[in-house]
Amino acid sequence: NAGVTQTPKFRVLKTGQSMTLLCAQDMNHEYMYWYRQDPGMGLRLIHYSVGEGTTAKGEVPDGYNVSRLKKQNFLLGLESAAPSQTSVYFCASSEAEGGGTDTQYFGPGTRLTVL
Amino acid sequence: GQNIDQPTEMTATEGAIVQINCTYQTSGFNGLFWYQQHAGEAPTFLSYNVLDGLEEKGRFSSFLSRSKGYSYLLLKELQMKDSASYLCAGLDSNYQLIWGAGTKLIIKP
Repeated sequence: NAGVTQTPKFRVLKTGQSMTLLCAQDMNHEYMYWYRQDPGMGLRLIHYSVGEGTTAKGEVPDGYNVSRLKKQNFLLGLESAAPSQTSVYFCASSEAEGGGTDTQYFGPGTRLTVL
Repeated sequence: GQNIDQPTEMTATEGAIVQINCTYQTSGFNGLFWYQQHAGEAPTFLSYNVLDGLEEKGRFSSFLSRSKGYSYLLLKELQMKDSASYLCAGLDSNYQLIWGAGTKLIIKP
């Protein structure tokens, strides 16, 4: 079991460029999440999915889009990158809503710098 | 609003005990999580409390008081590998996690 994997691990973009971050999980989890982590702040939820073909906005969705075409994959897109999107991006998955033993399992992160 | 407060940084000595506190305000409450995050790595699950009281797992214990909106993580017999950030997160009524900024724990020999 690889758990949750993310590609790429590092990326540098210029302002205005676009990119897609890929998250894959092999645990057959229904729920998947995209977070960003910035210094001095808690993890902030960007978008999440409660199942294949469904997505929903989190706390900070502006400037990002997502797709969940397959249960095991969750893609995060930046249409026109801005320096404010420089951050570490984590993908996570959980079997269900997150209570009890349904904890979130995190990928290794993608470190994105926008110049 | 929703808020999770925890100290920014703590220092402790190898072999000692340290308690990391967390206070929370969430819209509804479905439990309190603690995660460990080593520098440059992903958060990993440590504990989950939904009822008042102490949950013990080896060297780590977590306590919850729902009436006070308070939790703590207790680490015993500290080891150098325990140097990490410890993240407190509350699960709100929509089953979304509200995260604290994390407490960076520095262990000195």
